[in-house]
Amino acid sequence: DAGVTQSPTHLIKTRGQQVTLRCSPKSGHDTVSWYQQALGQGPQFIFQYYEEEERQRGNFPDRFSGHQFPNYSSELNVNALLLGDSALYLCASSFGGGAGPLNSPLHFGNGTRLTVT
Amino acid sequence: KQEVTQIPAALSVPEGENLVLNCSFTDSAIYNLQWFRQDPGKGLTSLLLIQSSQREQTSGRLNASLDKSSGRSTLYIAASQPGDSATYLCAVYTGANSKLTFGKGITLSVRP
Repeated sequence: DAGVTQSPTHLIKTRGQQVTLRCSPKSGHDTVSWYQQALGQGPQFIFQYYEEEERQRGNFPDRFSGHQFPNYSSELNVNALLLGDSALYLCASSFGGGAGPLNSPLHFGNGTRLTVT
Repeated sequence: KQEVTQIPAALSVPEGENLVLNCSFTDSAIYNLQWFRQDPGKGLTSLLLIQSSQREQTSGRLNASLDKSSGRSTLYIAASQPGDSATYLCAVYTGANSKLTFGKGITLSVRP
């Protein structure tokens, strides 16, 4: 049973560039949430996708956008990269859309380490 | 606004010691609380999930308790081992916007 998979594992970009991160949810899950974890901090919620729509959004600028595909996989796009965007980006999957982890644990991938120079 | 606090930020103990990790949250209107483990540079592994109606959950040497009214949770690790060295994060789910609110974590080091 494949868990949550993310690609790439590491990425180095230059300020001003754009980046796309990818996530495949755990088998049987249909909801994907994205989190940003800066060094020494807890993860911060970016947004959640369910039924190919953004359902909830955290306190992140419009430079952060996403997409969910019919097979439930998801992409996170960040435009006009800033040095402060350097972080571990975590994808989490669950079942049931807005219910989130109401009845079952959220499953996280190993993340993509983004470095902006 | 929900805030989750974990103190201390780091803890070092000798192998075999029983230990307690603390987590506090400001808004008691939660659906559940999760404890996660994170190894350096890795993702999060869910350890225990406690629903708001529950008082505790156990898995092996781990026991997590929840006191919703006082906004506190503890993770008890029995007979600690060097392999338990990692960062432990707690997170609460309020259901309002489908997100987990995390603490900054406690970095545990178990000395052989």
